Amino acid sequence: KNEVEQSPQNLTAQEGEFITINCSYSVGISALHWLQQHPGGGIVSLFMLSSGKKKHGRLIATINIQEKHSSLHITASHPRDSAVYICAGDNDMRFGAGTRLTVKP
Amino acid sequence: DAGVIQSPRHEVTEMGQEVTLRCKPISGHNSLFWYRQTMMRGLELLIYFNNNVPIDDSGMPEDRFSAKMPNASFSTLKIQPSEPRDSAVYFCASSLRQARNQPQHFGDGTRLSIL
Repeated sequence: KNEVEQSPQNLTAQEGEFITINCSYSVGISALHWLQQHPGGGIVSLFMLSSGKKKHGRLIATINIQEKHSSLHITASHPRDSAVYICAGDNDMRFGAGTRLTVKP
Repeated sequence: DAGVIQSPRHEVTEMGQEVTLRCKPISGHNSLFWYRQTMMRGLELLIYFNNNVPIDDSGMPEDRFSAKMPNASFSTLKIQPSEPRDSAVYFCASSLRQARNQPQHFGDGTRLSIL
């Protein structure tokens, strides 16, 4: 069983919809990374958070360390948000399998 | 500012050959990470360095893999001898401070194919 579970695995949305991607982990961590992998393969670090909430543009990440759960939200989704979103705990950088998001115009 | 630079971008070679992947981290970054990504296993941490010293190599698959960081601006990941199952995209990333709970900057990756 993977120590980091993401849901959903695949997500298709219409442009403008509010998106939520979830990440749960079974081991203790002090921080969690959210990454975005573009269709071309490049990886960008979106957030690294250890508590509460962080916001960057239309992206919001929340985490509850005690409940071992984090969410990534995208407001007013756009086709350019189409990518794979990956979470990872910082203890051993164990990654979730990723959520493939497709936003249709 | 230059990001993390990896070379080559693509490598195709026959099994049994030695493969060397290279990484130049962002200037001033103290930590460097090597990752492997495959369809079957996703992203995996292979090894990471703090101040050029290997800290955790538990993700290195076997003795055929070795990584070095001779100075703060250069690291190599070597596979010898290479096998078809080593085919993957290898990413290098660096971060500013000596802890895994710091944002990481990724290179564009090296797509390795072992025939």
